[in-house]
Amino acid sequence: NAGVTQTPKFRVLKTGQSMTLLCAQDMNHEYMYWYRQDPGMGLRLIHYSVGEGTTAKGEVPDGYNVSRLKKQNFLLGLESAAPSQTSVYFCASSYTSGRALGAQEQYFGPGTRLTVT
Amino acid sequence: QKEVEQDPGPLSVPEGAIVSLNCTYSNSAFQYFMWYRQYSRKGPELLMYTYSSGNKEDGRFTAQVDKSSKYISLFIRDSQPSDSATYLCAMSFQGGSEKLVFGKGTKLTVNP
Repeated sequence: NAGVTQTPKFRVLKTGQSMTLLCAQDMNHEYMYWYRQDPGMGLRLIHYSVGEGTTAKGEVPDGYNVSRLKKQNFLLGLESAAPSQTSVYFCASSYTSGRALGAQEQYFGPGTRLTVT
Repeated sequence: QKEVEQDPGPLSVPEGAIVSLNCTYSNSAFQYFMWYRQYSRKGPELLMYTYSSGNKEDGRFTAQVDKSSKYISLFIRDSQPSDSATYLCAMSFQGGSEKLVFGKGTKLTVNP
């Protein structure tokens, strides 16, 4: 099993450009999440999904959109990138609450380092 | 007041030392308490979890929860250079809430 994979690993964007980050998991997890991690700020939840076709806002959703058309994929879009979106982005997935630890055990991808100039 | 407070460090200790990492929280409704470990340039991974109050031991690691003080700790005995990482506490509510609240993480370096 590959676990959680993220594409791309690195990206440099100019202000105003758009891009999509792709997250894929092969563990048949129901829940998926997008976080950003900045120095001194810790992990902050951007958007999350509790199932195929559903998404919800997290702590810092502004400037981002997401889609979960397939259970195994969760896409994060930046429509018009800003320097404030320079960050490391992590995707995570977890089981539902009906199994083991449920959503408490989140499996993280390796991250995407994004720089917006 | 932030929901979860964690001293960012950095913390530097000699190999073999006992390490204590701590978090405080403000919301008494938290029921699940977790510690994630994040190596440099990697994603976090779950290290230990505790439900409600008490202690849990796993090898050299012990997690403690004191709900009366809203305080959780992670102890590492006989620390090793391979323990050098950032440790993030995380918490969630009863009922298998799909969201975790993370501390900012403490960066630990264990020197050989």
